[in-house]
Amino acid sequence: QKEVEQNSGPLSVPEGAIASLNCTYSDRVSQSFFWYRQYSGKSPELIMSIYSNGDKEDGRFTAQLNKASQYVSLLIRDSQPSDSATYLCAVNFYNAGNMLTFGGGTRLMVKP
Amino acid sequence: ETGVTQSPTHLIKTRGQQVTLRCSSQSGHNTVSWYQQALGQGPQFIFQYYREEENGRGNFPPRFSGLQFPNYSSELNVNALELDDSALYLCASSLGGQISYEQYFGPGTRLTVT
Repeated sequence: QKEVEQNSGPLSVPEGAIASLNCTYSDRVSQSFFWYRQYSGKSPELIMSIYSNGDKEDGRFTAQLNKASQYVSLLIRDSQPSDSATYLCAVNFYNAGNMLTFGGGTRLMVKP
Repeated sequence: ETGVTQSPTHLIKTRGQQVTLRCSSQSGHNTVSWYQQALGQGPQFIFQYYREEENGRGNFPPRFSGLQFPNYSSELNVNALELDDSALYLCASSLGGQISYEQYFGPGTRLTVT
């Protein structure tokens, strides 16, 4: 069974701090990794995709991928109260076609 | 906004009934995936349609069925509704055949089965 694991949280950080969200997955041969943000009552919004080992930066967001250790993380710099949401990690496992497997999500709370 | 639309927004049905949910993909996208998201959980893959053909299916019973039209819009049909079918149903649009597999979600349909 191919799985994606996330700490459900809540992860609480003060405004302006760095929020670090982690995700582990079960299959070493995986190709594509995604982070979605989901506000309460809304649908998931794609914020980052990463395909190669290393870091990928986009504004205040940095995704980090380590395929050997089977984890992917998302760093949010200068966290704002508007970043408070559930962050979903999704993996496209090898030989799983175009299907995404999601973790349960981590709830982030940024306190003013 | 992703350009993916879904209808209806909310729906209340009775156990045993049938329901049809609709999705219009983002302009230029030929692939639609459907997900079920129960409260407090991550989305679960139901199935995907690529160029009007089913292109993968998750662990859902046959009473969940779908189709895709020539304009790449899609329908999800659920027969013999059960209480556990109450969830947010999400449609995601993507450009099939690309290794990136980036999927963009519509606003979802909230289904309540009583």
